[in-house]
Amino acid sequence: GENVEQHPSTLSVQEGDSAVIKCTYSDSASNYFPWYKQELGKRPQLIIDIRSNVGEKKDQRIAVTLNKTAKHFSLHITETQPEDSAVYFCAASKGFQKLVFGTGTRLLVSP
Amino acid sequence: ETGVTQTPRHLVMGMTNKKSLKCEQHLGHNAMYWYKQSAKKPLELMFVYNFKEQTENNSVPSRFSPECPNSSHLFLHLHTLQPEDSALYLCASSQADLYTGELFFGEGSRLTVL
Repeated sequence: GENVEQHPSTLSVQEGDSAVIKCTYSDSASNYFPWYKQELGKRPQLIIDIRSNVGEKKDQRIAVTLNKTAKHFSLHITETQPEDSAVYFCAASKGFQKLVFGTGTRLLVSP
Repeated sequence: ETGVTQTPRHLVMGMTNKKSLKCEQHLGHNAMYWYKQSAKKPLELMFVYNFKEQTENNSVPSRFSPECPNSSHLFLHLHTLQPEDSALYLCASSQADLYTGELFFGEGSRLTVL
């Protein structure tokens, strides 16, 4: 089955810096790669996703890149702000319903 | 109420108790899920229901018993649990189609097994 590894587990940056979180997956059949953000004590929420027919997707300060050959994908956050502080989870699946999540990255943005 | 609501938010039970977690979605979705979230572990998919039919049981022990009476409600019945079952149980819903995979999560039920 699918296995997703996520790094780093913790990331501290200064406000305004960029943050990059990386994930690798094992199943070459996986074709859907979402990222979820979970603020402290709150529910996970989708922030961006990418499908295997696309190499990069952007939404304002957030971008995701996918390298199918290497089986890895990354989340890039530019101009970080304190409200970006949260735990970020990557996930992978074939189709939409059987997501396998990474272990999460705790991002701390210091003012 | 909008979105996905879960009750109770907190539950403490002994190993011999029987309790149930409830989830309700007000989004008109046709798929519902149970996930387990433990400290320092990835979110683990437990069960998937599409149009009330269970389509995935991710090797979950039989002490967890799901029930989906309709597309809006999902239950997780708990009996003879173990302390290692203590975790945050998240319910989610989605519109299972070809175009979107977004999961809408509830706020979770924090379970402590003594």
